[in-house]
Amino acid sequence: DGGITQSPKYLFRKEGQNVTLSCEQNLNHDAMYWYRQDPGQGLRLIYYSQIVNDFQKGDIAEGYSVSREKKESFPLTVTSAQKNPTAFYLCASSGVVGFRNGYTFGSGTRLTVV
Amino acid sequence: AQTVTQSQPEMSVQEAETVTLSCTYDTSENNYYLFWYKQPPSRQMILVIRQEAYKQQNATENRFSVNFQKAAKSFSLKISDSQLGDTAMYFCACQGSNNYGQNFVFGPGTRLSVLP
Repeated sequence: DGGITQSPKYLFRKEGQNVTLSCEQNLNHDAMYWYRQDPGQGLRLIYYSQIVNDFQKGDIAEGYSVSREKKESFPLTVTSAQKNPTAFYLCASSGVVGFRNGYTFGSGTRLTVV
Repeated sequence: AQTVTQSQPEMSVQEAETVTLSCTYDTSENNYYLFWYKQPPSRQMILVIRQEAYKQQNATENRFSVNFQKAAKSFSLKISDSQLGDTAMYFCACQGSNNYGQNFVFGPGTRLSVLP
């Protein structure tokens, strides 16, 4: 079955460390997205990519970086510059033609700073 | 750009009864798309229903239906015959017809509890 796989499900980061969250999709979708969700709040866009080797900053890109070397993969790195990284991170994808059908989401990664 | 407001942070409903979740939005675009997503305790985001703004007919998916009032910029979700599995956060979202990415905006969510 097609879908989006995020790994790991839980991730712990020490102060000053960079960590990378994985997002892989086999839906043949062109566009991919990263969202951050804090407790009791909605989703805020971090980065998005419409095609391979291209990506754009979202509303809260500071302290994060991404790459899009393959259509299937859109990893997110949380750098030490992100001062409050503890949150739930969701990856999503959509097709260029079918994007009006909404996004498909992964099951998320919970990142905790220890 | 779009903005989405959900004025009910929390709601509860008895099993088998009907509940309506409110959503208002604002957009400068002539054509756009509206969505309701469900996020159960598993945190997986699930698309519940979608509505294209140029279609006047309200969308329906089984027990889920919307009341789309374009002039009022209102997009409420009605859940009929509520089930325990409907307990979740519900997010309303609006997407402009062009330049997706930043053009897809979520509301803050409504936490729905279905009581036995």
